[in-house]
Amino acid sequence: QVQLQESGPGLVKPSQTLSLTCTVSGGSISSGDYYWSWIRQPPGKGLEWIGYIYYSGTTYYNPTLKSRVTISVDTSKNQFSLKLSSVTAADTAVYYCAIRGSGSDYNGLDVWGQGTTVTVSS
Amino acid sequence: DIQMTQSPSSLSASVGDRVTITCRASQSISTYLNWYQQQPGKAPKLLIYAASSLQSGVPSRFSGSGSGTDFTLTISSLQPEDFATYYCQQSHRTFFTFGPGTKVDIK
Repeated sequence: QVQLQESGPGLVKPSQTLSLTCTVSGGSISSGDYYWSWIRQPPGKGLEWIGYIYYSGTTYYNPTLKSRVTISVDTSKNQFSLKLSSVTAADTAVYYCAIRGSGSDYNGLDVWGQGTTVTVSS
Repeated sequence: DIQMTQSPSSLSASVGDRVTITCRASQSISTYLNWYQQQPGKAPKLLIYAASSLQSGVPSRFSGSGSGTDFTLTISSLQPEDFATYYCQQSHRTFFTFGPGTKVDIK
């Protein structure tokens, strides 16, 4: 069973770049079995999909965040990462990594990390 | 972009009640619709995928239905551990969208 663990700074200054990593265990990020996703949840609010990447490097981003988001894969470390540039207080949220099976477009996000809280503040 | 709405935004129910939550898409998404449960302070959990398929390990009191633009999540007999927030999510396009959520609390 694949397990995911997010890591990264809990505090980021406005205008800087938020950088998070999701470490994958119990499976290989190179297997092609999954799409590797990032989702966030501002305090007291709902879920917002940020984007996902396939092991080949193909990415899909939320259009509202696309100009600021980069998702990448490091197969040597079995990790995938999120970078969000020019952050503001509105980017304060719990950030989750999650996976969706690549076998069907009907698949949901069936494994999630525990989430990591990022606060944007000076 | 496909927008998702849910109703109600919150509801109060008792253990044993039958609960129904509705999700509507702004355009047809066939059955590319998933349902998640989120407990406070926890990551979401996939309950239903492809509108009506029960995710492995999820109790059979949860069921989903619908296609096109209108979908329903039903809990046949509410249990104490079911008090949570429920989200629908469309996967019809490469740009996923979540609904705003429905909070189910204790009456």
